[in-house]
Amino acid sequence: NAGVTQTPKFQVLKTGQSMTLQCAQDMNHEYMSWYRQDPGMGLRLIHYSVGAGITDQGEVPNGYNVSRSTTEDFPLRLLSAAPSQTSVYFCASTRTSGATTDTQYFGPGTRLTVL
Amino acid sequence: QQPVQSPQAVILREGEDAVINCSSSKALYSVHWYRQKHGEAPIFLMILLKGGEQKGHDKISASFNEKKQQSSLYLTASQLSYSGTYFCGTATSGTYKYIFGTGTRLKVLA
Repeated sequence: NAGVTQTPKFQVLKTGQSMTLQCAQDMNHEYMSWYRQDPGMGLRLIHYSVGAGITDQGEVPNGYNVSRSTTEDFPLRLLSAAPSQTSVYFCASTRTSGATTDTQYFGPGTRLTVL
Repeated sequence: QQPVQSPQAVILREGEDAVINCSSSKALYSVHWYRQKHGEAPIFLMILLKGGEQKGHDKISASFNEKKQQSSLYLTASQLSYSGTYFCGTATSGTYKYIFGTGTRLKVLA
């Protein structure tokens, strides 16, 4: 049971480039979410999904796209990277029935730098 | 709007107690507490639900004041391993959105 996995662990992009951050979980969790954490700051919700085919925006969705074609995977796409998107990105999952009442399991994070 | 945590930072000696507060301007359904070590992912500590009881395990406990939309995390007889940044995560009724607090940096010295 690998839990929540994220790839890559580190990434450097140039302004204007696009890329996809991968997130996968093997716990059959319906609810998955993406957060960004800037240095010395808390976690801010980017997008979340309550099941395959269902996604919604969080606090800071601009510049990011998501899709959920399977229960296991929830990729985050940066459309045109900007230096303001330099951050650590965490993916998390939990059971939908307890989306706000159950433990969220976090992946190890992706450290993204945009030059 | 992010819940506000207080204090922003605290330094303790091993064996001392600490209280971390989380205050929201919105009506809360649940409050979650997490601890994050530098360079690592947040780790779940506990959940408090509206109408639920105060929770705790080992020397860490928490309470949830529904009327004030506040939660407090109590660390008793702190250990070196308690060092890290503590976050509250909040959810309002009828939504699947978690909103995390501003964080409290805690350092325990030997």
